[in-house]
Amino acid sequence: GENVEQHPSTLSVQEGDSAVIKCTYSDSASNYFPWYKQELGKRPQLIIDIRSNVGEKKDQRIAVTLNKTAKHFSLHITETQPEDSAVYFCAAKGQAGTALIFGKGTTLSVSS
Amino acid sequence: EAEVAQSPRYKITEKSQAVAFWCDPISGHATLYWYRQILGQGPELLVQFQDESVVDDSQLPKDRFSAERLKGVDSTLKIQPAELGDSAMYLCASSLSRDRGRELFFGEGSRLTVL
Repeated sequence: GENVEQHPSTLSVQEGDSAVIKCTYSDSASNYFPWYKQELGKRPQLIIDIRSNVGEKKDQRIAVTLNKTAKHFSLHITETQPEDSAVYFCAAKGQAGTALIFGKGTTLSVSS
Repeated sequence: EAEVAQSPRYKITEKSQAVAFWCDPISGHATLYWYRQILGQGPELLVQFQDESVVDDSQLPKDRFSAERLKGVDSTLKIQPAELGDSAMYLCASSLSRDRGRELFFGEGSRLTVL
């Protein structure tokens, strides 16, 4: 089955800096790669996703890149703000009908 | 805005006791998932339902865990007997279908503490 590795586990940046979180996956059949943000005590919420027919996707300060050959994808946050502080999870969806498999998460801390 | 409802939000129990969690997905969502999230880790799939049928329960510890979705709407996850290692957040999520690219919507979770 699918296995998703995520790093770093913690990331501290200064406000205004960029943050990059990287994930690798094992199942070459995986075709959908979402990123979820989980604030303390709250439910995970989708912030951006990418499908395998696209190499990059941007939404304001957030971007995701995908390299299917290397089986890795990354989340890029530019101009970080204190409200970006949260735990971020990458995930991958394998063969049709299977559930999302999540990475272990990255705790992002943005200090002002 | 429609949300996934879960109860209870918090549950404290002693080991060997039985516990049950309830989930009501967003109306019209055919696919329902139960994930377990241990503190500091990512959600781990326990069971996936498509309507009332179990699609994947390969990671469900069946000697003590059970899950059902009898009418294909709400779902119950049961643990009997609870063990210390079961302390975690139990997250329910739903999606329109199992197709790729279908966003998962999570509930607020049920936090279990086993003493």
